[in-house]
Amino acid sequence: KAGVTQTPRYLIKTRGQQVTLSCSPISGHRSVSWYQQTPGQGLQFLFEYFSETQRNKGNFPGRFSGRQFSNSRSEMNVSTLELGDSALYLCASNIDPQETQYFGPGTRLLVL
Amino acid sequence: GEDVEQSLFLSVREGDSSVINCTYTDSSSTYLYWYKQEPGAGLQLLTYIFSNMDMKQDQRLTVLLNKKDKHLSLRIADTQTGDSAIYFCAARNTPLVFGKGTRLSVIA
Repeated sequence: KAGVTQTPRYLIKTRGQQVTLSCSPISGHRSVSWYQQTPGQGLQFLFEYFSETQRNKGNFPGRFSGRQFSNSRSEMNVSTLELGDSALYLCASNIDPQETQYFGPGTRLLVL
Repeated sequence: GEDVEQSLFLSVREGDSSVINCTYTDSSSTYLYWYKQEPGAGLQLLTYIFSNMDMKQDQRLTVLLNKKDKHLSLRIADTQTGDSAIYFCAARNTPLVFGKGTRLSVIA
């Protein structure tokens, strides 16, 4: 079974731009979570989606948004990028929110 | 909310055992996880333990859980250079809460 895939793997943007990251979960997994990883803050939870509904949201500004489609694929969007948004963005999927999460390779975003 | 703490660094010699420790605060966390991250990669699930268990063994990995002290440990037997990575402890209480990670360096 294929693992979690994330596209693109690397991205360079400038301040003020917006970016959309994509995540395809493991086949059969209906829950997707997003995390931001930075050297200073570590791994921080962004959001969790299950059956197209946002179940949980972390403590991030409204510039960070996400959605999930009927095929369980998910996207997250960051508008008005700031330098501090440079990070590794990790997506994880699980069969349902109570089950073990499996992570993708991440999208590394650099904001200049 | 949940808080998970880990020591930041551990250095061991090849062939020795490694023990990575973690403490958590929320006793209602149902599952506790260990993930491994190699440079430039995502998180790889190593093992997990349900909160009503004391120990779980999986090949070279042994997880010990002390619920009273809210202490979790991961023991890697016969540590190899390929085990060099960052190890994250995580507590499951919707959402997953991670420690800062322990960087394991294996000296040949």
